[in-house]
Amino acid sequence: GAVVSQHPSRVICKSGTSVKIECRSLDFQATTMFWYRQFPKQSLMLMATSNEGSKATYEQGVEKDKFLINHASLTLSTLTVTSAHPEDSSFYICSARDAGTGGQNTEAFFGQGTRLTVV
Amino acid sequence: AQSVAQPEDQVNVAEGNPLTVKCTYSVSGNPYLFWYVQYPNRGLQFLLKYITGDNLVKGSYGFEAEFNKSQTSFHLKKPSALVSDSALYFCAVRGGNTGFQKLVFGTGTRLLVSP
Repeated sequence: GAVVSQHPSRVICKSGTSVKIECRSLDFQATTMFWYRQFPKQSLMLMATSNEGSKATYEQGVEKDKFLINHASLTLSTLTVTSAHPEDSSFYICSARDAGTGGQNTEAFFGQGTRLTVV
Repeated sequence: AQSVAQPEDQVNVAEGNPLTVKCTYSVSGNPYLFWYVQYPNRGLQFLLKYITGDNLVKGSYGFEAEFNKSQTSFHLKKPSALVSDSALYFCAVRGGNTGFQKLVFGTGTRLLVSP
């Protein structure tokens, strides 16, 4: 299957600082990428949908000024957690679908996730 | 609105025995159904999907799933479990009438295969 690379896999930051997480599609173009947050022993919560060349679409309850998303190219989307606080500590996962074959019936491919710890 | 239910938080099975992880769904239109597996501190890996056609879908690592329209279910199965199958399994659905292409995930089922 297609490869989605997410970086870093683990990051620890101080409260009040910002952290950027990158999501890259390595062997396909992704006009749309998705950012999820996963709490311990819970399911994935969709935070936002990242569209190449346009503004991201955020799910209800997700602060767009806190979780900045940029999708500047067909292979890269970034999530920046601004002014991070301990409650932002979580596992963040991105996914992408192949723009060339990405109809409703195609699966999404996921990055390996980023464990963010804010101290 | 579309939704997915995974009624079991955890499934325990002995190695070599068959396993079933349950999933039921609710969606408008024809469902597109997916199973993913997640190992600790990792992203999700695609296992299999149902789009149309045969109700029994075969996927990676010997897993298969059966689509049952009348029961709105899509249970994941494997004839003989391995210890290495121990992981967190997610069922997901995308509705056929949905113009916005997002997946809805179940809460996940932890599979524990004992030696």
